[in-house]
Amino acid sequence: EEQLVESGGGLVQPGGSLRLSCAASGFTLSSYGMNWVRQAPGKGLEWVSYISSSGPTKYYADSVEGRFTMSRDNVKNSVYLQVNSLRDEDTAVYYCARDLKSSGWLDLWGRGTLVTVSS
Amino acid sequence: DIQMTQSPSSLSASVGDRVTITCRASQSISNYLNWYQQKPGRAPKLLIFAASSLQSGVPSRFSGSGSGTDFTLTISSLQPEDFATYYCQQSYSNLYTFGQGTKLEIK
Repeated sequence: EEQLVESGGGLVQPGGSLRLSCAASGFTLSSYGMNWVRQAPGKGLEWVSYISSSGPTKYYADSVEGRFTMSRDNVKNSVYLQVNSLRDEDTAVYYCARDLKSSGWLDLWGRGTLVTVSS
Repeated sequence: DIQMTQSPSSLSASVGDRVTITCRASQSISNYLNWYQQKPGRAPKLLIFAASSLQSGVPSRFSGSGSGTDFTLTISSLQPEDFATYYCQQSYSNLYTFGQGTKLEIK
């Protein structure tokens, strides 16, 4: 079964950092671009970042540019999101999502990991 | 950035109804428009990609249309499991953006 499982979320103070992980199974991660999408409590979906299948190409939403860094390790079948300089408004469930054909068709999602930024 | 605007924001309908949700882009995005369904506490699910292509396993009562700036998602005959929130998403730009969502509720 194809699956994505996120981890690494938690409670962090404003200005703090976390490293989110997304473990893939049941398919060849290296064949796919990957994304992070977040959802603040009771709010809609916000695309956060994208990384190409082999890793050299990355894109970020303006709201996180310069603070978040996406990476991947295809040997470990994992993608990561390093989140720094966290703000209250970064509080959200963070989902990783597979990008079918790197065309923006997000066809497989994990269950998400909750990041709470609060003092 | 490309802004995506959905209407309505919420909608009440009955089982068996035909429902249409609209999504408008702030600039032309050709057919780079995708639709997702999200149920409470669950991850989103891809329904339609490239404006009108049905994702594998999605019931045929779901359909999408449009090109340029105006798009629609239609559910031909609502089933109980269709009550959820629906999002459009553009993938024309490298910086993807979602609409604000349409919550479909039972009347």
